[in-house]
Amino acid sequence: AQSVTQPDIHITVSEGASLELRCNYSYGATPYLFWYVQSPGQGLQLLLKYFSGDTLVQGIKGFEAEFKRSQSSFNLRKPSVHWSDAAEYFCAVASGTYKYIFGTGTRLKVLA
Amino acid sequence: GAVVSQHPSRVICKSGTSVKIECRSLDFQATTMFWYRQFPKQSLMLMATSNEGSKATYEQGVEKDKFLINHASLTLSTLTVTSAHPEDSSFYICSASVGRGRDEQYFGPGTRLTVT
Repeated sequence: AQSVTQPDIHITVSEGASLELRCNYSYGATPYLFWYVQSPGQGLQLLLKYFSGDTLVQGIKGFEAEFKRSQSSFNLRKPSVHWSDAAEYFCAVASGTYKYIFGTGTRLKVLA
Repeated sequence: GAVVSQHPSRVICKSGTSVKIECRSLDFQATTMFWYRQFPKQSLMLMATSNEGSKATYEQGVEKDKFLINHASLTLSTLTVTSAHPEDSSFYICSASVGRGRDEQYFGPGTRLTVT
Protein backbone atom coordinates (compact mmCIF):
# COMPACT_ATOMS: atom_id res chain seq x y z
CA ALA A 1 0.00 0.00 0.00
CA GLN A 2 1.11 3.52 -0.70
CA SER A 3 2.21 5.60 2.25
CA VAL A 4 4.08 8.76 3.12
CA THR A 5 6.15 9.18 6.25
CA GLN A 6 7.31 12.44 7.71
CA PRO A 7 9.46 11.34 10.63
CA ASP A 8 9.68 14.73 12.31
CA ILE A 9 6.50 16.01 13.92
CA HIS A 10 8.11 19.22 15.12
CA ILE A 11 11.25 21.03 14.02
CA THR A 12 12.66 24.21 15.50
CA VAL A 13 15.34 26.23 13.75
CA SER A 14 16.79 29.67 14.23
CA GLU A 15 16.08 32.34 11.67
CA GLY A 16 18.79 32.29 9.03
CA ALA A 17 19.68 28.66 9.65
CA SER A 18 19.29 25.97 7.03
CA LEU A 19 16.34 23.62 6.99
CA GLU A 20 15.68 20.08 5.87
CA LEU A 21 12.32 18.37 6.25
CA ARG A 22 12.27 14.66 5.64
CA CYS A 23 9.78 12.74 3.58
CA ASN A 24 9.83 9.04 2.73
CA TYR A 25 7.29 7.36 0.52
CA SER A 26 6.23 3.88 -0.36
CA TYR A 27 4.90 3.50 -3.88
CA GLY A 28 5.41 0.80 -6.44
CA ALA A 29 5.59 2.89 -9.58
CA THR A 30 7.17 6.22 -10.43
CA PRO A 31 5.67 8.62 -7.92
CA TYR A 32 4.33 12.08 -8.35
CA LEU A 33 5.53 13.94 -5.26
CA PHE A 34 4.50 17.23 -3.73
CA TRP A 35 5.32 19.52 -0.85
CA TYR A 36 2.64 21.82 0.52
CA VAL A 37 2.70 24.45 3.25
CA GLN A 38 -0.23 25.32 5.46
CA SER A 39 -0.48 28.33 7.73
CA PRO A 40 -2.88 28.11 10.70
CA GLY A 41 -6.50 28.06 9.58
CA GLN A 42 -5.55 28.24 5.94
CA GLY A 43 -5.62 25.93 2.96
CA LEU A 44 -2.63 24.33 1.32
CA GLN A 45 -0.16 26.16 -0.84
CA LEU A 46 1.97 24.17 -3.27
CA LEU A 47 5.69 24.70 -2.73
CA LEU A 48 6.98 22.36 -5.41
CA LYS A 49 6.29 19.13 -7.22
CA TYR A 50 8.17 16.32 -8.91
CA PHE A 51 6.71 14.43 -11.84
CA SER A 52 9.81 13.40 -13.79
CA GLY A 53 13.13 14.68 -15.09
CA ASP A 54 15.65 16.55 -12.98
CA THR A 55 15.58 15.11 -9.51
CA LEU A 56 16.40 18.44 -7.89
CA VAL A 57 13.27 20.55 -7.96
CA GLN A 58 13.10 24.25 -7.30
CA GLY A 59 9.99 25.72 -5.75
CA ILE A 60 8.61 28.96 -4.47
CA LYS A 61 9.88 30.94 -1.48
CA GLY A 62 13.41 29.61 -1.93
CA PHE A 63 12.55 25.97 -1.26
CA GLU A 64 13.95 23.00 -3.12
CA ALA A 65 13.56 19.26 -2.87
CA GLU A 66 15.52 16.31 -4.13
CA PHE A 67 13.97 13.08 -5.31
CA LYS A 68 16.10 10.06 -4.43
CA ARG A 69 14.59 6.91 -5.81
CA SER A 70 17.13 4.64 -4.10
CA GLN A 71 16.15 6.04 -0.72
CA SER A 72 12.46 6.55 -1.51
CA SER A 73 12.85 10.07 -0.24
CA PHE A 74 11.81 13.56 -1.26
CA ASN A 75 13.32 15.87 1.33
CA LEU A 76 12.56 19.57 1.38
CA ARG A 77 15.37 22.06 1.94
CA LYS A 78 15.89 25.76 2.35
CA PRO A 79 19.31 27.33 2.84
CA SER A 80 18.18 30.18 5.09
CA VAL A 81 14.90 30.13 6.98
CA HIS A 82 12.81 33.25 7.51
CA TRP A 83 10.43 33.81 10.41
CA SER A 84 7.53 33.77 7.95
CA ASP A 85 8.34 30.15 7.08
CA ALA A 86 6.87 28.98 10.38
CA ALA A 87 3.97 26.75 9.36
CA GLU A 88 2.93 23.14 8.84
CA TYR A 89 4.53 21.32 5.94
CA PHE A 90 2.99 18.33 4.21
CA CYS A 91 4.56 15.89 1.81
CA ALA A 92 2.20 14.03 -0.52
CA VAL A 93 2.37 11.33 -3.17
CA ALA A 94 -0.15 10.90 -5.96
CA SER A 95 -1.18 7.31 -6.39
CA GLY A 96 -2.10 5.56 -9.60
CA THR A 97 -5.76 6.22 -8.85
CA TYR A 98 -5.05 9.99 -8.67
CA LYS A 99 -5.56 10.16 -4.96
CA TYR A 100 -3.16 12.14 -2.87
CA ILE A 101 -1.72 10.44 0.16
CA PHE A 102 -0.48 12.93 2.69
CA GLY A 103 2.14 12.55 5.34
CA THR A 104 1.30 13.50 8.89
CA GLY A 105 2.99 16.85 8.55
CA THR A 106 5.94 18.62 10.15
CA ARG A 107 5.34 21.73 12.19
CA LEU A 108 8.16 24.22 11.77
CA LYS A 109 8.94 26.76 14.45
CA VAL A 110 11.40 29.55 13.73
CA LEU A 111 13.28 31.24 16.52
CA ALA A 112 14.16 34.90 16.16
CA GLY B 1 -4.46 30.71 -12.60
CA ALA B 2 -5.85 27.50 -11.07
CA VAL B 3 -7.76 29.13 -8.24
CA VAL B 4 -10.20 27.18 -6.10
CA SER B 5 -12.58 28.94 -3.75
CA GLN B 6 -14.69 27.64 -0.89
CA HIS B 7 -17.75 29.14 0.68
CA PRO B 8 -18.30 29.75 3.49
CA SER B 9 -14.90 30.05 5.11
CA ARG B 10 -16.42 29.55 8.54
CA VAL B 11 -19.81 28.25 9.60
CA ILE B 12 -21.40 27.55 12.95
CA CYS B 13 -24.52 25.45 13.05
CA LYS B 14 -26.66 23.79 15.65
CA SER B 15 -26.65 20.08 16.22
CA GLY B 16 -29.17 18.33 14.00
CA THR B 17 -29.13 20.85 11.19
CA SER B 18 -27.52 20.48 7.78
CA VAL B 19 -24.86 22.67 6.28
CA LYS B 20 -23.66 23.00 2.71
CA ILE B 21 -20.13 23.88 1.67
CA GLU B 22 -19.38 24.99 -1.87
CA CYS B 23 -16.17 24.43 -3.78
CA ARG B 24 -15.60 26.27 -7.04
CA SER B 25 -12.83 26.20 -9.60
CA LEU B 26 -12.70 29.82 -10.71
CA ASP B 27 -10.55 29.75 -13.83
CA PHE B 28 -10.50 26.17 -15.03
CA GLN B 29 -12.81 23.24 -15.54
CA ALA B 30 -12.38 20.60 -12.88
CA THR B 31 -13.04 17.10 -14.08
CA THR B 32 -12.37 15.75 -10.63
CA MET B 33 -12.91 17.29 -7.23
CA PHE B 34 -11.84 15.95 -3.88
CA TRP B 35 -13.05 16.56 -0.35
CA TYR B 36 -10.74 16.27 2.62
CA ARG B 37 -11.22 16.53 6.32
CA GLN B 38 -8.55 17.76 8.66
CA PHE B 39 -8.67 17.39 12.41
CA PRO B 40 -6.69 19.82 14.57
CA LYS B 41 -2.96 19.37 14.19
CA GLN B 42 -3.44 16.35 11.95
CA SER B 43 -3.04 15.54 8.31
CA LEU B 44 -5.64 15.67 5.57
CA MET B 45 -7.84 12.64 5.20
CA LEU B 46 -9.54 12.08 1.86
CA MET B 47 -13.27 11.72 2.27
CA ALA B 48 -14.46 11.33 -1.28
CA THR B 49 -13.68 11.87 -4.92
CA SER B 50 -16.24 13.22 -7.33
CA ASN B 51 -16.31 13.44 -11.09
CA GLU B 52 -18.66 15.80 -12.85
CA GLY B 53 -21.97 14.18 -13.60
CA SER B 54 -21.37 10.97 -11.70
CA LYS B 55 -21.75 9.77 -8.16
CA ALA B 56 -18.99 10.43 -5.70
CA THR B 57 -16.66 7.67 -4.59
CA TYR B 58 -16.33 7.62 -0.84
CA GLU B 59 -13.36 6.41 1.15
CA GLN B 60 -13.78 3.55 3.54
CA GLY B 61 -15.38 4.64 6.77
CA VAL B 62 -17.00 7.78 5.37
CA GLU B 63 -20.78 7.78 5.65
CA LYS B 64 -22.35 8.49 2.29
CA ASP B 65 -25.67 9.54 3.77
CA LYS B 66 -23.95 11.83 6.24
CA PHE B 67 -21.71 13.61 3.79
CA LEU B 68 -23.60 14.25 0.56
CA ILE B 69 -21.44 15.29 -2.35
CA ASN B 70 -22.74 16.75 -5.57
CA HIS B 71 -20.58 17.65 -8.56
CA ALA B 72 -23.19 19.22 -10.79
CA SER B 73 -20.89 21.11 -13.11
CA LEU B 74 -17.24 21.30 -14.10
CA THR B 75 -16.72 24.25 -11.78
CA LEU B 76 -18.81 23.43 -8.73
CA SER B 77 -18.94 20.70 -6.14
CA THR B 78 -20.88 20.82 -2.90
CA LEU B 79 -20.51 18.94 0.35
CA THR B 80 -23.57 18.79 2.57
CA VAL B 81 -23.12 17.64 6.13
CA THR B 82 -26.51 16.30 7.11
CA SER B 83 -27.85 16.19 10.65
CA ALA B 84 -24.61 17.61 11.92
CA HIS B 85 -23.26 16.68 15.32
CA PRO B 86 -20.41 18.18 17.36
CA GLU B 87 -18.10 15.37 16.23
CA ASP B 88 -18.51 16.63 12.67
CA SER B 89 -16.76 19.85 13.66
CA SER B 90 -13.64 20.01 11.57
CA PHE B 91 -11.75 21.80 8.83
CA TYR B 92 -12.99 20.74 5.41
CA ILE B 93 -10.81 21.33 2.37
CA CYS B 94 -11.68 20.72 -1.25
CA SER B 95 -9.37 20.37 -4.20
CA ALA B 96 -9.83 20.17 -7.92
CA SER B 97 -7.91 18.75 -10.83
CA VAL B 98 -8.26 19.07 -14.55
CA GLY B 99 -7.91 15.43 -15.47
CA ARG B 100 -8.64 12.02 -14.07
CA GLY B 101 -5.06 10.85 -13.81
CA ARG B 102 -2.31 11.90 -11.46
CA ASP B 103 -2.79 15.54 -12.28
CA GLU B 104 -1.94 18.26 -9.85
CA GLN B 105 -4.68 19.10 -7.40
CA TYR B 106 -5.43 22.73 -6.60
CA PHE B 107 -6.65 23.28 -3.08
CA GLY B 108 -9.28 25.60 -1.72
CA PRO B 109 -8.73 27.69 1.42
CA GLY B 110 -10.85 25.42 3.59
CA THR B 111 -14.05 25.75 5.61
CA ARG B 112 -14.09 25.64 9.37
CA LEU B 113 -17.28 23.93 10.56
CA THR B 114 -18.31 24.18 14.19
CA VAL B 115 -21.37 22.29 15.36
CA THR B 116 -22.78 23.42 18.70
